[in-house]
Amino acid sequence: DAGVIQSPRHEVTEMGQEVTLRCKPISGHDYLFWYRQTMMRGLELLIYFNNNVPIDDSGMPEDRFSAKMPNASFSTLKIQPSEPRDSAVYFCASSFRLNEQFFGPGTRLTVL
Amino acid sequence: AQSVTQPDIHITVSEGASLELRCNYSYGATPYLFWYVQSPGQGLQLLLKYFSGDTLVQGIKGFEAEFKRSQSSFNLRKPSVHWSDAAEYFCAVGASGGSYIPTFGRGTSLIVHP
Repeated sequence: DAGVIQSPRHEVTEMGQEVTLRCKPISGHDYLFWYRQTMMRGLELLIYFNNNVPIDDSGMPEDRFSAKMPNASFSTLKIQPSEPRDSAVYFCASSFRLNEQFFGPGTRLTVL
Repeated sequence: AQSVTQPDIHITVSEGASLELRCNYSYGATPYLFWYVQSPGQGLQLLLKYFSGDTLVQGIKGFEAEFKRSQSSFNLRKPSVHWSDAAEYFCAVGASGGSYIPTFGRGTSLIVHP
């Protein structure tokens, strides 16, 4: 397996633009997680899915953030409109049941 | 709810020296415990995990960790550090049986001097 795949790896956009981050989890995994990592706040869990269903989105910072998982092999995290304070590295991770998580390489987002 | 504390934000060691990174957890039952490593510009990679059984767990890259229930700790150790070990290390705790998602600590940054 190729591991968790995230795209794009880098995204630079201007304030107010819509940003969509993509994730392909490991085949057979039933949990998918979205994290945000910054120097100030460390690693934050934003939302997680179980069998494509969102279970807990209490970590999503604002209504500008939304996430979907239309099928077992694809998830998106969308920010609309984006703001400079959204600049961070966003990680997607997947796991089988709630065992160890496998992380993607991350998307480094810069909002100007 | 479970929680995890990594008391050291930064640790500096000389290459070849031994290493111990501390992790303390709070959970009412037998936890699942994990150590992850994050090299610069990369995602987190699992080093080792403890679910049950032998309390001394061996991982990749020569790391080991020991589960001590009486101290609620799961410290990570390596007998001789290499310059390539410089990275961020995260401890995480989950519920046995996988009933709760793992909670991550804030991480410890390891600096290795030549």
